[in-house]
Amino acid sequence: AQSVTQLGSHVSVSEGALVLLRCNYSSSVPPYLFWYVQYPNQGLQLLLKYTSAATLVKGINGFEAEFKKSETSFHLTKPSAHMSDAAEYFCAATTDAGGTSYGKLTFGQGTILTVHP
Amino acid sequence: DAGVTQSPTHLIKTRGQQVTLRCSPKSGHDTVSWYQQALGQGPQFIFQYYEEEERQRGNFPDRFSGHQFPNYSSELNVNALLLGDSALYLCASSSGLAVSYEQYFGPGTRLTVT
Repeated sequence: AQSVTQLGSHVSVSEGALVLLRCNYSSSVPPYLFWYVQYPNQGLQLLLKYTSAATLVKGINGFEAEFKKSETSFHLTKPSAHMSDAAEYFCAATTDAGGTSYGKLTFGQGTILTVHP
Repeated sequence: DAGVTQSPTHLIKTRGQQVTLRCSPKSGHDTVSWYQQALGQGPQFIFQYYEEEERQRGNFPDRFSGHQFPNYSSELNVNALLLGDSALYLCASSSGLAVSYEQYFGPGTRLTVT
């Protein structure tokens, strides 16, 4: 069974500081990995995705993530936090297990990012 | 270009009642997935529709059912509502069944069961 674990339900940083949100996955087959952001009372917006091409993936709003197979990790980073980055972030995974997964996403529990001025 | 739309935005129901939630996919998309997001949790996959058929289902009881129409829009039906069904219900659309295809999420329907 596939699972996604996000370490830290809450992360707090100062404006301009590095943002690091952690995600580890468990999968018996190569995963496809995603980071989504959710602002209050809104749906999910895709930040970036890993689909077995380059291991360092760049997304929108200055975010990037690196796929590390040896560590089963896909941590999200941003060099300099902005107040507008305050939101909840979700890591998600899916697999193409013989063509039967059909894009079913398994989500982590989410990490709430707070940015202090 | 309209994104994924869902209706209604909010809904309050009583235990035992039935509810229908609606979703229109992004233009050009033919696959619709439904997710349940309980307060403080990540979304949980309910099921996915493609070509008007349920293609995959998550760990949800039969009280949860759905439908996809020829225009690719979809409905989620929940019968015999329980307090635990209170959640944000998200619809996501994508083009085709390939796993690398991005899923675009709607704003959700907030269901409160009293």
